[in-house]
Amino acid sequence: AQSVAQPEDQVNVAEGNPLTVKCTYSVSGNPYLFWYVQYPNRGLQFLLKYITGDNLVKGSYGFEAEFNKSQTSFHLKKPSALVSDSALYFCAVRDFHGSSNTGKLIFGQGTTLQVKP
Amino acid sequence: GAGVSQSPRYKVAKRGQDVALRCDPISGHVSLFWYQQALGQGPEFLTYFQNEAQLDKSGLPSDRFFAERPEGSVSTLKIQRTQQEDSAVYLCASSRGLEGAVNTGELFFGEGSRLTVL
Repeated sequence: AQSVAQPEDQVNVAEGNPLTVKCTYSVSGNPYLFWYVQYPNRGLQFLLKYITGDNLVKGSYGFEAEFNKSQTSFHLKKPSALVSDSALYFCAVRDFHGSSNTGKLIFGQGTTLQVKP
Repeated sequence: GAGVSQSPRYKVAKRGQDVALRCDPISGHVSLFWYQQALGQGPEFLTYFQNEAQLDKSGLPSDRFFAERPEGSVSTLKIQRTQQEDSAVYLCASSRGLEGAVNTGELFFGEGSRLTVL
């Protein structure tokens, strides 16, 4: 079965420092990977996706993610964190299996990012 | 509206009551998903519609859960005889295209309906 794992419940960084939020995946076939962010009492917002092509994917709000096939990882990164980046981040993989071929997203447990001034 | 709209935002139900949660997707979006997000967890898939057709309901936890999208736009998730374990945030998401192997478009999520069952 397709799955993603986010090994850190929380990541703390100081404003201005680089940040990394980790994600590893387990899929059969080519992975379609996504990052979403969730602010308190808000819906999930799309940040970026990897489908094919360049391993470094750039997304919204200055975030980027690096696809590493040998390590089955898709870590989210930002060169300089902002206090406003503090939120809950979800990694997800597209699941194309099943009779309906739904392509539904399978989410990780989420990582809380806390950026301190 | 510009985004996915869900109502009610908050619902408190007594155990055993029936509830109905509404989702207004972005106009013209073909695909619609329902997810359940328990406290401290990631969203978990419940069901998927392509226009009015419910193509996947494999994530519905029991036959107390029922979803419909009769005209291919607004969708309703109904939970009968609610139980405490149904307490969660129910998220609706839509996307422009067909959600098969070819389409890899992003999902647009609503703010969710938080259900608390006492």
